[in-house]
Amino acid sequence: QKEVEQDPGPLSVPEGAIVSLNCTYSNSAFQYFMWYRQYSRKGPELLMYTYSSGNKEDGRFTAQVDKSSKYISLFIRDSQPSDSATYLCALPGAAGNKLTFGGGTRVLVKP
Amino acid sequence: DAMVIQNPRYQVTQFGKPVTLSCSQTLNHNVMYWYQQKSSQAPKLLFHYYDKDFNNEADTPDNFQSRRPNTSFCFLDIRSPGLGDAAMYLCATSRGMTSVLETQYFGPGTRLLVL
Repeated sequence: QKEVEQDPGPLSVPEGAIVSLNCTYSNSAFQYFMWYRQYSRKGPELLMYTYSSGNKEDGRFTAQVDKSSKYISLFIRDSQPSDSATYLCALPGAAGNKLTFGGGTRVLVKP
Repeated sequence: DAMVIQNPRYQVTQFGKPVTLSCSQTLNHNVMYWYQQKSSQAPKLLFHYYDKDFNNEADTPDNFQSRRPNTSFCFLDIRSPGLGDAAMYLCATSRGMTSVLETQYFGPGTRLLVL
C-alpha cells in the first residue's frame, strides 16, 4: 500500500464549478498536510498547508483534513481555466520537511 | 524572476551514455534536493544536500550521483542511463530542514529521454 494515494484523474469540470480533490494516507504520524499545484512543464509550487484536523480557507481554495479517516481534501470554488493543472498532496515527515507526495490529480477546467 | 533554474529543460541521451543535469538557485538556500518524477507518478526524492553534506535516499540506485560545488549549483549525474530512467527530474531548494514548514521551491524540471 502506498503511503499517500490520489486518484490520477483527469477531472474535467466546466468553468465556475467546484473542484473536489482528495488524498488518503496510511501513516497516522503525519501532522501537516500540504497541497502543491503543478502546471504542465513546470515544477510543483506550494498552494497551501493545514495542520491537524479541520478546515483552512485561502481565497477560492479550501483545504480540509479528517485525521480520524486519514483523508484530506482540497476544494476549488468558482474554478477558472487557469486552475487547470495537476494537484499533488504532500505530507512532511515527523522529522523535518522531507515530503511524501501523492501521485497527483490532473484537473481540466473548460471555459 | 526565476529562483530555481534547471538546464537543460529537455535532454536526450543514448542508452548507457553518461548525462549531467544542472540546477542553480538565487535564493541562497542551504538545502538542495533532486527528485525523479515519472509520468503521472509522485515525485520521488533521490537525495539532498544540506550545505555540503550529501544525503542519499536508501532506495536511490547507485547509477545516480550528485555534486554540489557551491551554494548556488547542484548537479545530477546519471552514469549509465537506462530506458527506465526516462523521467522528469526536479530540483528543489529550501532554507533549512528542521521545520516541516521549510517550504521547498521547485525548478521547472528537466525532461530526460533515453534512446
